[in-house]
Amino acid sequence: DAGVTQSPTHLIKTRGQQVTLRCSPKSGHDTVSWYQQALGQGPQFIFQYYEEEERQRGNFPDRFSGHQFPNYSSELNVNALLLGDSALYLCASSWQLAGATDTQYFGPGTRLTVL
Amino acid sequence: AQSVTQLGSHVSVSEGALVLLRCNYSSSVPPYLFWYVQYPNQGLQLLLKYTSAATLVKGINGFEAEFKKSETSFHLTKPSAHMSDAAEYFCAVTQLSGYSTLTFGKGTMLLVSP
Repeated sequence: DAGVTQSPTHLIKTRGQQVTLRCSPKSGHDTVSWYQQALGQGPQFIFQYYEEEERQRGNFPDRFSGHQFPNYSSELNVNALLLGDSALYLCASSWQLAGATDTQYFGPGTRLTVL
Repeated sequence: AQSVTQLGSHVSVSEGALVLLRCNYSSSVPPYLFWYVQYPNQGLQLLLKYTSAATLVKGINGFEAEFKKSETSFHLTKPSAHMSDAAEYFCAVTQLSGYSTLTFGKGTMLLVSP
């Protein structure tokens, strides 16, 4: 079992550019959540995808968007990058039927640096 | 709204000493609580979780935590620290009515000295 995988590992962009991050969930999982972890902070929830729909969203602007594919993998897109978007972006997967008590499994993250 | 507060951004212990990392939660409904560990340049790994069964929860690597409703606390302990325990620890909360999305504390860095 490969667990949750994310790509790329590191990414450097300049202000105003757009970026796409990718995530493959753990085998058997159908729900993907994205979190932003700024330096020295705890992860903050961005949004969650289930059945290819965004079903819950945290306090992030519309510049942050996502997608879930039929194979349950997911993408996070950020437009018009700001310096403050520099962070570790974590993807987590879980199984819908297990509900709120289900363990979320995290990937290793993508480190985004905006210059 | 739900939230967690972790007291102490850094905790230092000697190898073999007791580890105590503090977490207090705020929730209008019964919470589910989690402790995750993050090693440098890695993602988060679940240590243990409380889901309204036993109030004393045992996790991996010898860690345990006790849910105390009267104190709104879920502190993480380990009787004897090991050098390999040095990492950042995050307390998180979610709710039965939610979709398993987590609200995290700011984290506590555990430093272990020989």
